[in-house]
Amino acid sequence: QSVLTQPPSASGAPGQRVTISCSGSSSNIGSNTVTWYQLVPGTAPKLLVSSNNERPSGVPDRFSASKSGTSASLAISGLQSEDEADYYCASWQDSLNSIWVFGGGTKLTVL
Amino acid sequence: QVQLLESGPGLVRPSQTLSLSCSVSAGSISNDGYYWTWIRQFPGKGLEWIGYIYYGGSTYYNPSLKSRASMSLDTSKNHFSLELKSVTAADTGIYYCAREHPLTSFDYWGQGTVVTVSS
Repeated sequence: QSVLTQPPSASGAPGQRVTISCSGSSSNIGSNTVTWYQLVPGTAPKLLVSSNNERPSGVPDRFSASKSGTSASLAISGLQSEDEADYYCASWQDSLNSIWVFGGGTKLTVL
Repeated sequence: QVQLLESGPGLVRPSQTLSLSCSVSAGSISNDGYYWTWIRQFPGKGLEWIGYIYYGGSTYYNPSLKSRASMSLDTSKNHFSLELKSVTAADTGIYYCAREHPLTSFDYWGQGTVVTVSS
């Protein structure tokens, strides 16, 4: 059972915009940066964007992120076939034993 | 850009110790701005943070591992390692090493190494 809650699946047609949500609590999303990762089997996971909308060099601006309270979201616009992958949110969790926590992952299908 | 590559045995017997190594290129693990981290993905696809090691040798582990994890680094070879003791089938998964911006993000990852715990 993952600490952060994501929908298990999402889908969209090429060119469309999809959003993936990530829900947490005041001790993780509510007080720390949320980051989003793209996982494709057999390849190195990729950092996409953080909740302050900072993207590493090379990540297209089709990927954007936002955060409000204890929830965060990833938006992908102009959907492309190569965007089909698993997407995970992550946040540092402040507690007696602070740790990194992750969402359960969302499988994005490009129709 | 920084590249990380995991290596280790694909199969480990129950109750044995899992040993993995992560080789880092195009970046020094002696850089004090980063943590060097292990993350694993279970067969059900969930991710779990295992812990990190800092260039000075300081470590911090996920308490859920109940002191079974141990990390070290070798600056001469620019790699860092993970040992996980007393493994069970529940430790089966894909193990990733990554570079962490402290408490903010994991900006570079290895491609992962599959570990199966089975007799």
